[in-house]
This record gives sequence, C-alpha cells and structure tokens, in this order.
Amino acid sequence: GIQVEQSPPDLILQEGANSTLRCNFSDSVNNLQWFHQNPWGQLINLFYIPSGTKQNGRLSATTVATERYSLLYISSSQTTDSGVYFCAVMRSQGNLIFGKGTKLSVKP
Amino acid sequence: KAGVTQTPRYLIKTRGQQVTLSCSPISGHRSVSWYQQTPGQGLQFLFEYFSETQRNKGNFPGRFSGRQFSNSRSEMNVSTLELGDSALYLCASSKGTNTEAFFGQGTRLTVV
Repeated sequence: GIQVEQSPPDLILQEGANSTLRCNFSDSVNNLQWFHQNPWGQLINLFYIPSGTKQNGRLSATTVATERYSLLYISSSQTTDSGVYFCAVMRSQGNLIFGKGTKLSVKP
Repeated sequence: KAGVTQTPRYLIKTRGQQVTLSCSPISGHRSVSWYQQTPGQGLQFLFEYFSETQRNKGNFPGRFSGRQFSNSRSEMNVSTLELGDSALYLCASSKGTNTEAFFGQGTRLTVV
C-alpha cells in the first residue's frame, strides 16, 4: 500500500522562529490533508490541498503531486502551535492514510 | 454549523466486555469513517460507511464492527474487549469520496 513519511519526527523551536514540515508519499493520491492534533486528541483541519499552494494566516502549504510531496510552513511560531502535525493522503478507496506525524514544541 | 460529535468522550471497560461508540456527522455529510489511534501503531483506518453501506474496511479483526443509520449517524462496536483495544477512536465525516474530512473530538477507550 501507499507509504506516507513525515519529517522531521520531532522539532523544537523558539517562539518567533519559522519551520517547514515535510510529507512524502509513495504513489499518486486524490486528496491530501494537513491536521494539527490538539492536546485533547482532536484533529484540527489545517489544509485540504491535493495540489498547489494555500495560505491561512501564519500557515501555508504546498503540494507538488507530480513529485509526491507536500510542505507545511509555519511562520513566526507561537507556543499555541505546539502539538503533533499529521499529513494524510487518500486514494480511490476513500480512507485517509496517515503519516506518523511531526511533534512540534515551541518554547517561549 | 455543528461539527462532528462523538459520544461518549471517555470510557473505561473491562476485558471481555463489549462497547459501542457513536458518531454524528456534519449535517449533509453522508460518509463516516472510523480510525483508531495508539502510541505504537499511530492512526489506523477501521472502516468507512456511505449511505448505510460499508464501502471500505481496514485490517482489523471481526470483533470490530460498525453500522450507519439512515440519518448518517454511525456506531462502531467492539466485542470481547482486549487490553490492546485501549486507544483513541476518531470518527470523520465528509460529503463523499475524495472530499475534505472533518474529525470529531474522539472517544478515549481504556480497557482494564
């Protein structure tokens, strides 16, 4: 089946720093989403981005479907950005396949 | 607009018991999927329902089952609980195939 790899697995930043999270996938996909898991476990939607670039405030994402990767950019990070970021892809079967996540810690 | 609602939020069960979890999707969404999250295995797909039909199933034993009702609400059932079933169970709803999925807050199940 399709493999989804996220890097880095862990990231520690000082407040105000910028970061880039990467998601590689091993086959073509119909859908790609980025999520932030809050401390209570809920997955919060960040981007639905099968291809192209989107921006939402300090966050932006780019998916290059032909090269099978997606990037999530976080600028001017804040302590509230801490948590685990997941990339998930979907093929024709309709279920999301998740990476193992990037655990981000932003220090004040 | 109300989000995806999962009940209960927390549950403690004894080995051998069975449990039923509930998920109410966003209004107008007809697809409901279930996922299990554990520290060791990460987020794994259980099954997906669309218009009361199971369309897709993950690699879980038959003790895990589900159903979807005509109002799109879904339930999943785990029979003969094992310690390894302790996990966060997440439900997602979407309008259909290959559309954006939205997750509920999850049900944290502890089996003792």
